[in-house]
Amino acid sequence: GIQVEQSPPDLILQEGANSTLRCNFSDSVNNLQWFHQNPWGQLINLFYIPSGTKQNGRLSATTVATERYSLLYISSSQTTDSGVYFCAVNFNKFYFGSGTKLNVKP
Amino acid sequence: EPEVTQTPSHQVTQMGQEVILRCVPISNHLYFYWYRQILGQKVEFLVSFYNNEISEKSEIFDDRFSVERPDGSNFTLKIRSTKLEDSAMYFCASSDGSVSDTQYFGPGTRLTVL
Repeated sequence: GIQVEQSPPDLILQEGANSTLRCNFSDSVNNLQWFHQNPWGQLINLFYIPSGTKQNGRLSATTVATERYSLLYISSSQTTDSGVYFCAVNFNKFYFGSGTKLNVKP
Repeated sequence: EPEVTQTPSHQVTQMGQEVILRCVPISNHLYFYWYRQILGQKVEFLVSFYNNEISEKSEIFDDRFSVERPDGSNFTLKIRSTKLEDSAMYFCASSDGSVSDTQYFGPGTRLTVL
């Protein structure tokens, strides 16, 4: 199956700081999605981004499909951004990475 | 915005019992999926379902697991003879099967097997 690697595995930020999360994948895919898993375990879809760049408020994402990676940018982080961020790539089914656990401190 | 719903949010059962997890996918979607996440681990694919039959299943989806679309709106995952290691969060997802194949995930059911 497709391998999905996320880095860093853990990240601690001070409120207001910026961060970049990375997702590498091993093969061409149909789709890539970024999710935020909140403390209650719910998966919140952030971006559908098979290629290119998208922005939604303080979050933006870029996927370079030819080089098989995607980046999630979080600017001016807030404590509510805490949780686990998953990258998932779609090749008939979703393959998830192991996630980046983000802790934003006040 | 339409969303996928799941019930119950939390299910506790005794080892060896049967459980049914329920999902209501987005109404015009044609493809349905179950995933599971053991606490602290990554989300793993279980099964995909299209046109009233299983399209693909993982090695996790053994013969104790089954899926069904009993009517036009519900999609269920049944686990027979539950084991301690079945304890996990179970996510239902659906998609419309378009080229983008964006999957929309439900809020999950946390299954605890005692």
